[in-house]
Amino acid sequence: EDQVTQSPEALRLQEGESSSLNCSYTVSGLRGLFWYRQDPGKGPEFLFTLYSAGEEKEKERLKATLTKKESFLHITAPKPEDSATYLCAVQATSGTYKYIFGTGTRLKVLA
Amino acid sequence: GAVVSQHPSRVICKSGTSVKIECRSLDFQATTMFWYRQFPKKSLMLMATSNEGSKATYEQGVEKDKFLINHASLTLSTLTVTSAHPEDSSFYICSARAQFTYEQYFGPGTRLTVT
Repeated sequence: EDQVTQSPEALRLQEGESSSLNCSYTVSGLRGLFWYRQDPGKGPEFLFTLYSAGEEKEKERLKATLTKKESFLHITAPKPEDSATYLCAVQATSGTYKYIFGTGTRLKVLA
Repeated sequence: GAVVSQHPSRVICKSGTSVKIECRSLDFQATTMFWYRQFPKKSLMLMATSNEGSKATYEQGVEKDKFLINHASLTLSTLTVTSAHPEDSSFYICSARAQFTYEQYFGPGTRLTVT
């Protein structure tokens, strides 16, 4: 069965304290892995798509990496405005375009 | 680019009435649209997938006669919650995917409260 697990569930960081969020997945065939940021009461905001092992994408303080079993979202020198829930989703090659979501990591960055 | 809107952002309705939520892709044509439901501090739960001009495909456990989905054009999908009850109160989010792409772009969500 295809599934996605994110860890930790929640993370508190001091401003400037770098860390990584993990997204482990099992899927019959990976079409893509997607990272989103969600603020309370809002829809998810697209961050990155990763397609193959070894691929990396960067945007400001965020960097996403992909292996055959997991993805990491590295946050370098975070700021309070990076506080949000980060969601990981995978899309299998099974023919549909639907996502399998992880449960998310709630990040709080303290000033 | 890739902007998706939802209307209304909040709605309160009485038990037994129906409510319609609109989802629009503003700057691209959405081959596929998805409807999700999200409970507090939980991840998104896919309710159904709709392709323009076709009947929606509902996930297991989602009542298709209660949650009516219409995807009449490449920029508009609607979700109608029929005979709403308090347990239908939730945050509903739509997303849209353009042809030849894999990413979903999400709307801002609709908070439904049934009294």
